[in-house]
Amino acid sequence: QKEVEQDPGPLSVPEGAIVSLNCTYSNSAFQYFMWYRQYSRKGPELLMYTYSSGNKEDGRFTAQVDKSSKYISLFIRDSQPSDSATYLCAFLYGNNRLAFGKGNQVVVIP
Amino acid sequence: KAGVTQTPRYLIKTRGQQVTLSCSPISGHRSVSWYQQTPGQGLQFLFEYFSETQRNKGNFPGRFSGRQFSNSRSEMNVSTLELGDSALYLCASSLNGNTEAFFGQGTRLTVV
Repeated sequence: QKEVEQDPGPLSVPEGAIVSLNCTYSNSAFQYFMWYRQYSRKGPELLMYTYSSGNKEDGRFTAQVDKSSKYISLFIRDSQPSDSATYLCAFLYGNNRLAFGKGNQVVVIP
Repeated sequence: KAGVTQTPRYLIKTRGQQVTLSCSPISGHRSVSWYQQTPGQGLQFLFEYFSETQRNKGNFPGRFSGRQFSNSRSEMNVSTLELGDSALYLCASSLNGNTEAFFGQGTRLTVV
């Protein structure tokens, strides 16, 4: 079983829709849970960062963590064309060491 | 506040050569990690440095090495380049390794 599973399939949504992304993980040593956004030919940009189960909101973004099910989600409300990017889930498990999902390419159609 | 700076942005090298990439972390951050990103494997951890010491190493051959200087700047070196080393190399800066990590823009290495 892979440490991190993220369905890499591209996702196309109309502008204004809710985007829902998720990852599952198997390593109980994962301490912190993050979501990064990566535009083409750029480095990953940190979107959300949390360490506990539950929801965390930041503007149009909501990160959800369920440690008991080893499942994390990212929701983007009122999606905009500028949200078109690849979204990566990431897990910190000691000394700036991150395990990443393969990433979801999201396309928001105007 | 300046972000993470990686130089150069692009590199083209020939098989068998070696290459050195540089990373300047966010001011005050002492932990620097390096990752390799390829379309097939995604982002993979190379190694992490804190206060000039390597604390963690991923599953890469010994051709991949790194170091960190007293000002927290870090370099990674790849010797005897292979075609499969073509990738985006990213460094991530963190305060102490146990907080959120911020990435640079990466160095795109092409081996021909």
